[in-house]
Amino acid sequence: GAVVSQHPSRVICKSGTSVKIECRSLDFQATTMFWYRQFPKKSLMLMATSNEGSKATYEQGVEKDKFLINHASLTLSTLTVTSAHPEDSSFYICSAGDRDSYEQYFGPGTRLTVT
Amino acid sequence: RKEVEQDPGPFNVPEGATVAFNCTYSNSASQSFFWYRQDCRKEPKLLMSVYSSGNEDGRFTAQLNRASQYISLLIRDSKLSDSATYLCVVSLRPTTSGTYKYIFGTGTRLKVLA
Repeated sequence: GAVVSQHPSRVICKSGTSVKIECRSLDFQATTMFWYRQFPKKSLMLMATSNEGSKATYEQGVEKDKFLINHASLTLSTLTVTSAHPEDSSFYICSAGDRDSYEQYFGPGTRLTVT
Repeated sequence: RKEVEQDPGPFNVPEGATVAFNCTYSNSASQSFFWYRQDCRKEPKLLMSVYSSGNEDGRFTAQLNRASQYISLLIRDSKLSDSATYLCVVSLRPTTSGTYKYIFGTGTRLKVLA
């Protein structure tokens, strides 16, 4: 399968600051990238879908002004958690795929802790 | 009703046992089906796709019943290394022009005991 990387793998930040997470597809061009959030002992919840060069589509209940997603190229998508709060502490996972394909390739995840 | 439902477990089984997991989904427009495995604090990894005809990969067998909207995973001869959370995943396209989305079940925890 394709290789997807995420950076950083772990980040601790103070409440009120912003954090940017990068997701890169290393060996293929991903027209679509997905961002998920997973709380402890819960399943992955899709936050948003981003297609290269267009605005992200957010799932119901996800604030687009708080979770800024940029998918400027076919190999890079970023998620910025703005004005982070302790309740934003979670495991954030991205995946990359093709718009017309059902296959997704997952990154290793980023563990965010907001103090 | 959740879109994809699984028994959260945990299932504690001895080494060598056979264990079965079930999953139901609510959207009849679902198009593709998968089992993923997730280890603690790691990303999910594809275990196998699931086809209507049923498919097998070594000790793992997956079945899909579209009429009942039911998916299963059977693990034979369980190993200690099979201990993980098994996620049932359904893929669907919300609109004809939309992008395929994955809907994850809550996962079933398996612990294989020595």
